[in-house]
Amino acid sequence: KAGVTQTPRYLIKTRGQQVTLSCSPISGHRSVSWYQQTPGQGLQFLFEYFSETQRNKGNFPGRFSGRQFSNSRSEMNVSTLELGDSALYLCASRMGPTNEKLFFGSGTQLSVL
Amino acid sequence: AQSVSQHNHHVILSEAASLELGCNYSYGGTVNLFWYVQYPGQHLQLLLKYFSGDPLVKGIKGFEAEFIKSKFSFNLRKPSVQWSDTAEYFCAVNPYNNNDMRFGAGTRLTVKP
Repeated sequence: KAGVTQTPRYLIKTRGQQVTLSCSPISGHRSVSWYQQTPGQGLQFLFEYFSETQRNKGNFPGRFSGRQFSNSRSEMNVSTLELGDSALYLCASRMGPTNEKLFFGSGTQLSVL
Repeated sequence: AQSVSQHNHHVILSEAASLELGCNYSYGGTVNLFWYVQYPGQHLQLLLKYFSGDPLVKGIKGFEAEFIKSKFSFNLRKPSVQWSDTAEYFCAVNPYNNNDMRFGAGTRLTVKP
């Protein structure tokens, strides 16, 4: 069974640009969560989607948004990029609506110059 | 929303030393608790989890954790660490019947051979 796949693996953008990150969950998993990982801050929760609906949201500004498609694939978008958005963005999936363990992807390393 | 505190930012031990990493959470209701590990260059992966029952749970590679409800704690332990345990360890809390999993800032463990 293929794992969680995130693309692209690395991304370099400049301030003010926008970016879209993609995540394909494990086949059969319907819940997708997004996290921002930075040194010293750990994993900061962005949002969680289940069956195309955003069910939980962390404390990030509205520049961070996401969506989930009918095939459970998810995208995350960040508009008007700031230097502080440089981080590793992790996607994780799990099967159902209750809290089972998360399976993580390798992440997308975003650098904002 | 729930929050998670990991008190040790960086722990350095010699091989065969005993390990205890602290984790405290704040949430008034029933929670499920997890420890994840991130070895250098690898995905985050589950080390162990507590859902219910015996508050002392055993995970992979000789790790265990004890849930103390009165202290809102879920500390990770290992009697004798190995060089291969060098990694970053994350405690996570998920309210029951909710897919909102929050992580601590992580503890970096360095084991000297």
